[in-house]
Amino acid sequence: SQTIHQWPATLVQPVGSPLSLECTVEGTSNPNLYWYRQAAGRGLQLLFYSVGIGQISSEVPQNLSASRPQDRQFILSSKKLLLSDSGFYLCAWSVTNQPQHFGDGTRLSIL
Amino acid sequence: QKEVEQNSGPLSVPEGAIASLNCTYSDRGSQSFFWYRQYSGKSPELIMSIYSNGDQEDGRFTAQLNKASQYVSLLIRDSQPSDSATYLCAEQGQLTFGSGTQLTVLP
Repeated sequence: SQTIHQWPATLVQPVGSPLSLECTVEGTSNPNLYWYRQAAGRGLQLLFYSVGIGQISSEVPQNLSASRPQDRQFILSSKKLLLSDSGFYLCAWSVTNQPQHFGDGTRLSIL
Repeated sequence: QKEVEQNSGPLSVPEGAIASLNCTYSDRGSQSFFWYRQYSGKSPELIMSIYSNGDQEDGRFTAQLNKASQYVSLLIRDSQPSDSATYLCAEQGQLTFGSGTQLTVLP
């Protein structure tokens, strides 16, 4: 069966510090991968999605970036965090036209 | 741009009642829709998929898709307090999620 791992579960970072969130999927090949952000009490905002290694589509201009160095690995990064980057970050995978499956999420607080 | 809109919440229903959640969409080409449940502080989990016009039932849950009117709905029968959560709908490409409807089932 397929599983998705996302870490860390919580993270507290100072403004201006770098960020690296990692997500890995097991049990499937060539999945579509997604990064979402959810502000408190709000809906899901798609940040990036990837249909293959090295293929990244950005939905929202911001100071975040994503990379897919391996088939089942998706990384969300920032060089300098802003206060507005606080939120709940979710990684998800799917195969085309099938439902997405989400990781447990990372709750990021910026101080 | 594809849009998915959910009826305004929050929604409160008494225990045992039917909860009705609705979603409208803009892209007539959308073929499939998914409903997710998200408990507070947790990630969304898939509860229903619907791939064609009509109804899809799974236990107490029924998803309905009406392509002519461009809406999709989720009915929860015999609502339980454990159903209290935010429900999100998503269209097939899943690049677009509704903003969610918060459901509270009152004991």
